[in-house]
Amino acid sequence: AQKVTQAQTEISVVEKEDVTLDCVYETRDTTYYLFWYKQPPSGELVFLIRRNSFDEQNEISGRYSWNFQKSTSSFNFTITASQVVDSAVYFCALSEIQAGNNRKLIWGLGTSLAVNP
Amino acid sequence: DTAVSQTPKYLVTQMGNDKSIKCEQNLGHDTMYWYKQDSKKFLKIMFSYNNKELIINETVPNRFSPKSPDKAHLNLHINSLELGDSAVYFCASSQEPQLDIYEQYFGPGTRLTVT
Repeated sequence: AQKVTQAQTEISVVEKEDVTLDCVYETRDTTYYLFWYKQPPSGELVFLIRRNSFDEQNEISGRYSWNFQKSTSSFNFTITASQVVDSAVYFCALSEIQAGNNRKLIWGLGTSLAVNP
Repeated sequence: DTAVSQTPKYLVTQMGNDKSIKCEQNLGHDTMYWYKQDSKKFLKIMFSYNNKELIINETVPNRFSPKSPDKAHLNLHINSLELGDSAVYFCASSQEPQLDIYEQYFGPGTRLTVT
């Protein structure tokens, strides 16, 4: 069965620290997709990144970077030089194409990141 | 300009009432979803529609009935509201080409409080 584990429930850092949010997934499929979403205190869910299982290149977007390691089934997210505006709950999610073209996102429980001034 | 919109943003109602939440997307996506997020932030898929056809129906009480009049709209009607229905309900949409999976875009959420 598919599963996404975000072992860190809450993380607290001081501004300008680097922080890594862990995501470990389980799947039996060879083709799957991984996502990260951000939910700031205002409540909306913001898409951050999508990664195909065949694309193991790491991605960098400004202060955000993602490390995809198929060997360890992990898709970790690092924020460099964190800022107070990065405070949010971050969700990792996994999706597969199931029978009948059915798709469903399997969500982790989220990691609540607090960046303190 | 809003990509996925939901109304209302807040809904406070009493147990036993019936209420609806509306969702519209202007992204041209084929697939729309309803999620429930509880107080612990756990996100649970409820329903998914592709081109007005129901494709995902998780174990949701049949007091919840989705309706998709066209592929840009997916409404959620809830009958006989219960205290446990209090949550934030999110609508989302995505493209769904045959052999690929794209990200979902979420509405702002509807905070439902049942008293």
